[in-house]
Amino acid sequence: KAGVTQTPRYLIKTRGQQVTLSCSPISGHRSVSWYQQTPGQGLQFLFEYFSETQRNKGNFPGRFSGRQFSNSRSEMNVSTLELGDSALYLCASSLASGPNYGYTFGSGTRLTVV
Amino acid sequence: AQTVTQSQPEMSVQEAETVTLSCTYDTSESDYYLFWYKQPPSRQMILVIRQEAYKQQNATENRFSVNFQKAAKSFSLKISDSQLGDAAMYFCAYRSGGYGGATNKLIFGTGTLLAVQP
Repeated sequence: KAGVTQTPRYLIKTRGQQVTLSCSPISGHRSVSWYQQTPGQGLQFLFEYFSETQRNKGNFPGRFSGRQFSNSRSEMNVSTLELGDSALYLCASSLASGPNYGYTFGSGTRLTVV
Repeated sequence: AQTVTQSQPEMSVQEAETVTLSCTYDTSESDYYLFWYKQPPSRQMILVIRQEAYKQQNATENRFSVNFQKAAKSFSLKISDSQLGDAAMYFCAYRSGGYGGATNKLIFGTGTLLAVQP
């Protein structure tokens, strides 16, 4: 079965612009989580969505937002991009929300802000 | 707050040899899960092995096994018979065992870059 699909794989944006990243979870998975990976800060949790509701949010400014659609696909949006937003953004899907459910990750979107 | 520490930024092993990657964590919770993930150059985070804190028996998956020392809050990964395909960044991660929304996240260590020498 298809894995977690993230689009696009690479993205270059200019400071001040906004960007939308997409994540399609494994079929049947209803939970989607987002992580930011940078050399300086490592892997940091952004947010989790389950059944179209945000269940948890990491310590990121309000410029970072997300949503989940009825088909469980999720998008995350970053407005007013800063150079420090350059990172690999990873999406992970899970059958449901809870500790008994494992995460499957996508290959990420590499965002470069210039 | 929970933290995960990986003190070895880089490790190297000869093909067919055994290597152990270290991980320590800090938590006041009694119910939690620990993971080792592998991230090759393809960037996808791949689950290597998972350990439930309530289980005393160390988890094993083929050539991969862990040494889980709950009292010492240590969770090391042993890779036996190392193969070239094992070369990757390895991350140790923690997840609370709770069901509340705030617990639904992985807390990662900084990673260990493993090189496998032919």
